Amino acid sequence: GQQLNQSPQSMFIQEGEDVSMNCTSSSIFNTWLWYKQDPGEGPVLLIALYKAGELTSNGRLTAQFGITRKDSFLNISASIPSDVGIYFCAGRSNYKLTFGKGTLLTVNP
Amino acid sequence: DAMVIQNPRYQVTQFGKPVTLSCSQTLNHNVMYWYQQKSSQAPKLLFHYYDKDFNNEADTPDNFQSRRPNTSFCFLDIRSPGLGDAAMYLCATSRDTVTSGGAENEQFFGPGTRLTVL
Repeated sequence: GQQLNQSPQSMFIQEGEDVSMNCTSSSIFNTWLWYKQDPGEGPVLLIALYKAGELTSNGRLTAQFGITRKDSFLNISASIPSDVGIYFCAGRSNYKLTFGKGTLLTVNP
Repeated sequence: DAMVIQNPRYQVTQFGKPVTLSCSQTLNHNVMYWYQQKSSQAPKLLFHYYDKDFNNEADTPDNFQSRRPNTSFCFLDIRSPGLGDAAMYLCATSRDTVTSGGAENEQFFGPGTRLTVL
């Protein structure tokens, strides 16, 4: 089946730093999504991308849908302690989401 | 606020004892999904309903069943829980599943139910 490679697996950064994470796929997706999951909670949708090359921002978050439709990245600028959590990328084909394995982000105040 | 609600948030059951998890939504979405998420892993889709039409994933064990009595509610039944079924169970909804669709296809997750099997 389809697989997404998400990296890095984990990141430890200082408050105020920028962070970047990315996902690559062997398959093409029509939609790329980025979710954040806090411990003991469900994933929350951060950004949805629908067109190849699309660059979308949501506050301090910026994500891009790769031109090849096989990759996406998420940038977080000026990180704050509440940014901690697990970030999942997901590619969507029809109804089905294929998730990356997640990036665990720790922000040291 | 429109939302996806899961009850209970924590459920403890015994090995082999049937258990039902509940999900409700106030979004009036057509589609409801159930995912299993084990520790340090990504969510794994078990099945989904488009309105009353049930769609099972090929690798979902028979031990897992679902019911959707109306638009708002969907239940996950685990007939004989094993130790390997301990996980977080996530419900999600979307308005549609159109192939070329955009925002109407996006899935919104509930807070999850953490299942412990003793």
